[in-house]
Amino acid sequence: AQSVTQLDSQVPVFEEAPVELRCNYSSSVSVYLFWYVQYPNQGLQLLLKYLSGSTLVKGINGFEAEFNKSQTSFHLRKPSVHISDTAEYFCAVGRGLSGGYNKLIFGAGTRLAVHP
Amino acid sequence: GAGVSQSPRYKVAKRGQDVALRCDPISGHVSLFWYQQALGQGPEFLTYFQNEAQLDKSGLPSDRFFAERPEGSVSTLKIQRTQQEDSAVYLCASSPSGVQGDYGYTFGSGTRLTVV
Repeated sequence: AQSVTQLDSQVPVFEEAPVELRCNYSSSVSVYLFWYVQYPNQGLQLLLKYLSGSTLVKGINGFEAEFNKSQTSFHLRKPSVHISDTAEYFCAVGRGLSGGYNKLIFGAGTRLAVHP
Repeated sequence: GAGVSQSPRYKVAKRGQDVALRCDPISGHVSLFWYQQALGQGPEFLTYFQNEAQLDKSGLPSDRFFAERPEGSVSTLKIQRTQQEDSAVYLCASSPSGVQGDYGYTFGSGTRLTVV
């Protein structure tokens, strides 16, 4: 079975500081990994995804993540955050199933709070 | 439309009432997913449609939950005899195809259901 653990439920940070949101996954098969952002009262927006290839993935809004197979991690980073980055961030693992479809398994989320 | 549309945005139901939640996916998208997001948690998979066929309903929590997509476009999630534990945000997502490796999900803004 696959699962996703987001190690921090809340991360407070000052504006223009760097941030790292941690994500670990468990899977016995090849994985596809994702980070989504959710602003209040909105749906999920894809930040970035790892399907294959380079382990360093760049996404929107200046975010990047690194896939580390040996540590089963996919941590999200941004070198300098803005107030507007305040939101809930979800790590997810994709599971490809027979029958030709996929579903996402999400972590519990990390609330990033950026303070002036 | 340009995105996934869900209605209503908010629904308050008395315990024991039946509710119907609607999802309009992006036109032409083959795959449609329903997720349930409890307060403070990540989304959890409910069910999956490929066109009009419901290929996976393993995440539906009880037989009070029923989903349909009769013409392969609009989908309705119905909850009978609602209970307080059904209170959550229900998210719909669609993607262009039904093949493995297609993770081009677009999420709607969700319907927030509160059972009182």
